[in-house]
Amino acid sequence: SQKIEQNSEALNIQEGKTATLTCNYTNYSPAYLQWYRQDPGRGPVFLLLIRENEKEKRKERLKVTFDTTLKQSLFHITASQLADSATYLCALPMDSSYKLIFGSGTRLLVRP
Amino acid sequence: GAGVSQTPSNKVTEKGKYVELRCDPISGHTALYWYRQSLGQGPEFLIYFQGTGAADDSGLPNDRFFAVRPEGSVSTLKIQRTERGDSAVYLCASSLNSRGAQETQYFGPGTRLLVL
Repeated sequence: SQKIEQNSEALNIQEGKTATLTCNYTNYSPAYLQWYRQDPGRGPVFLLLIRENEKEKRKERLKVTFDTTLKQSLFHITASQLADSATYLCALPMDSSYKLIFGSGTRLLVRP
Repeated sequence: GAGVSQTPSNKVTEKGKYVELRCDPISGHTALYWYRQSLGQGPEFLIYFQGTGAADDSGLPNDRFFAVRPEGSVSTLKIQRTERGDSAVYLCASSLNSRGAQETQYFGPGTRLLVL
């Protein structure tokens, strides 16, 4: 069955450093991959989408890579800020359609 | 509207009771999705509407769960004979038109359901 893995342990980094989060998947060849941010008590908020033929995508301080051979996506936040503290979820479309499968998310804690 | 809204924000009920959860999608969005999120987990797909019809209800866990969207806008998720295991956050999302996929889904804040 399709499976998505994100590091369940919180990532604790110092303000100003680069945070790197990992999303691995198995038994799957998705056409694209999405990253969402979720704050406590809120719904997920879409951040970036990267397609299978794209190696890298950037948006302001965010960068996402997509390695379809390794079946892995890396999500980077450069020059991290306290406000970046949240849970970050990766999501893949099920059956190349609208249904999304989400990872369990990685909590990022940015400390002063 | 400004975004997807869901009511109530919190719902506490007793085992065996019936509950209804409401979702108001973004105006003009034809696609609507329901997800369920347990603590420490990512959202889990339940059902998808395209317009008024349930295009895919394969994620509903059993026949106690049912959802409607009679006029192609507001949707209601209905849970009969609630069980303690139904306790979770129920998230609603909408997108402009899911045909062709690769569309951004906009999520509401969720309804936190607690079954005692």
